[in-house]
Amino acid sequence: DIQMTQSPSSLSASVGDRVTITCRASQGISNYLAWYQQKPGKVPKLLIYAASTLQSGVPSRFSGSGSGTDFTLTISSLQPEDVATYYCQKYNSAPRVTFGQGTKVEIK
Amino acid sequence: QVQLVQSGAEVKKPGASVKVSCKASGYTFTSYGISWVRQAPGQGLEWMGWISAYNGNTNYAQKLQGRVTMTTDTSTSTAYMELRSLRSDDTAVYYCARAVITFGGVGWFDPWGQGTLVTVSS
Repeated sequence: DIQMTQSPSSLSASVGDRVTITCRASQGISNYLAWYQQKPGKVPKLLIYAASTLQSGVPSRFSGSGSGTDFTLTISSLQPEDVATYYCQKYNSAPRVTFGQGTKVEIK
Repeated sequence: QVQLVQSGAEVKKPGASVKVSCKASGYTFTSYGISWVRQAPGQGLEWMGWISAYNGNTNYAQKLQGRVTMTTDTSTSTAYMELRSLRSDDTAVYYCARAVITFGGVGWFDPWGQGTLVTVSS
């Protein structure tokens, strides 16, 4: 099975900082990768799909990049409302769907 | 607007079954799939499987094979997830999500239902 490994597992940054989260696949998955944001006590929300396509309505400070095995989610200027856990998700290829373990983002 | 509304919280005893519903509105139900994801307390997201609302094809996570069944009722735009032989480690919030259908099967999930807490306790 393809494993998805996120790093770091948690981070603390200041408002306005650039934040980068990494997701690595154990095998190549082309660009079949999505990113989700889950705020505390809330439902997960789609941010990015196809590795770099921003979902409608998502602030432009969020961006995604990568292909194959290495992917990144970047928040260009961290805002207080971005406090959340972020998950990467591979899709499309067998065994279909796997989530990363999550990265918790906090404000310093 | 696109919306998924799930059934209410459940408390079950070990060995019992639970069936969670997910009613879709605001889009053409048969043009997408429905995926089910669960989240144990304080833990991450675990994919359970998905069903194509177009043709009823299913694909389940290997660890749940034999215990889970996903179905749809296209006449009411409702999806169902039944989990049998419940154990204490099945205690979790269960989410349904609209799944884009891609050439390879299931794609990304958007939006998600509000979640259904299933508690398994004797």
